[in-house]
Amino acid sequence: QIQLVQSGPELKKPGESVKISCKASGYTFTDYAMHWVKQAPGKGLKWMGWINTYTGKPTYADDFKGRFVFSLEASASTANLQISNLKNEDTATYFCARRGVYNNYVFDYWGQGVMVTVSS
Amino acid sequence: DVQMTQSPSNLAASPGESVSINCKASKSISKYLAWYQQKPGKANKLLIYSGSTLQSGTPSRFSGSGSGTDFTLTIRNLEPEDFGLYYCQQHNEYPPTFGAGTKLELK
Repeated sequence: QIQLVQSGPELKKPGESVKISCKASGYTFTDYAMHWVKQAPGKGLKWMGWINTYTGKPTYADDFKGRFVFSLEASASTANLQISNLKNEDTATYFCARRGVYNNYVFDYWGQGVMVTVSS
Repeated sequence: DVQMTQSPSNLAASPGESVSINCKASKSISKYLAWYQQKPGKANKLLIYSGSTLQSGTPSRFSGSGSGTDFTLTIRNLEPEDFGLYYCQQHNEYPPTFGAGTKLELK
């Protein structure tokens, strides 16, 4: 069955970096783009961007340009999100989500989410 | 960006009842609206896309309707597992945007 399994929770200080992973299984990784979605505590979902898992080309939403990097380890069917120069407002749960069969902006499978806490 | 407004923010109901959740877009998105369910400790689940197309595995008690700017998710004959958070999301134009969510609670 299709699964997206994300890495564990992270506790970081402001200014540090974090890299979280999303390992896919149950389908051909390079056939479906991977998206990233942020959920701040008690808030709704915000789309961060996506990465073409065939070419490796990332696309970032406007609010996530600069400190956010999407990358792949295609041989390991894994997508990564790295956030540098962490700020308090980066405290959130980060989800990976696979594009749907029908449309790139419909997300048919999600990871369980990674809670990133930024605190001094 | 297209703004998505969900109502109500909170909804209390009992098993067996029917409920409706509304989603309004700030501009026409044709039929291109998805609904997701979020529950603690579980992966988010795609329920419906393109306004009314049930994702494989979505029970038939869920239905979606609407087009243009106004959409509704209806859940008939609520089951205990249906309680949780529901989000709408437009997939008509870039960037995809979500509503703020509706919390469906047990009455």
